[in-house]
Amino acid sequence: NAGVMQNPRHLVRRRGQEARLRCSPMKGHSHVYWYRQLPEEGLKFMVYLQKENIIDESGMPKERFSAEFPKEGPSILRIQQVVRGDSAAYFCASSSGTSGGSRDTQYFGPGTRLTVL
Amino acid sequence: AQSVTQLDSQVPVFEEAPVELRCNYSSSVSVYLFWYVQYPNQGLQLLLKYLSGSTLVKGINGFEAEFNKSQTSFHLRKPSVHISDTAEYFCAVQALTGGGNKLTFGTGTQLKVEL
Repeated sequence: NAGVMQNPRHLVRRRGQEARLRCSPMKGHSHVYWYRQLPEEGLKFMVYLQKENIIDESGMPKERFSAEFPKEGPSILRIQQVVRGDSAAYFCASSSGTSGGSRDTQYFGPGTRLTVL
Repeated sequence: AQSVTQLDSQVPVFEEAPVELRCNYSSSVSVYLFWYVQYPNQGLQLLLKYLSGSTLVKGINGFEAEFNKSQTSFHLRKPSVHISDTAEYFCAVQALTGGGNKLTFGTGTQLKVEL
């Protein structure tokens, strides 16, 4: 399966712990996006990365959240000191970046459902 | 900035009946438009997209949508639904210029197909 892969699919953390969510883009894709879906809401953009670069982090909370997309390996969304309000589904999407470097179709992974106890 | 409004949070419909899911958007710049479908506990799957050209766009699973620039709408339609179409449907926009590559989503419409 050459689709976007995310793991784990489900993650349970206690308040104060750290959560690490991983995303492997589709083969050949070099652009990664993270979105958060709170219960009963649509997806909200968090961050857009290319290899080793954060391009747009306008949707990231100012504290406790960080993202990276290293030269080798998956993209990581890291949430430190989780709180109950962080419980949500976190989706990763990837795109090829071949449409003039922007505005190409994003393909989504199955998501990681984070539950904070 | 862009915003997307999906006025109907739930749409019940009988199998083989037609359906229309409404989507209106607001943007100060031109946009691309998308419809995604989300089945329970799964990720989003692209149904169709409008980038340019013909305003009537055909997608997968028999769905189509029509872009209406004057009404800033992109309603999704299917002439005859099936039980398997039961899912959440999201409309999204992406600015052509500025705003990065991010998608701005509506809050979704739950389509429930009944026998």
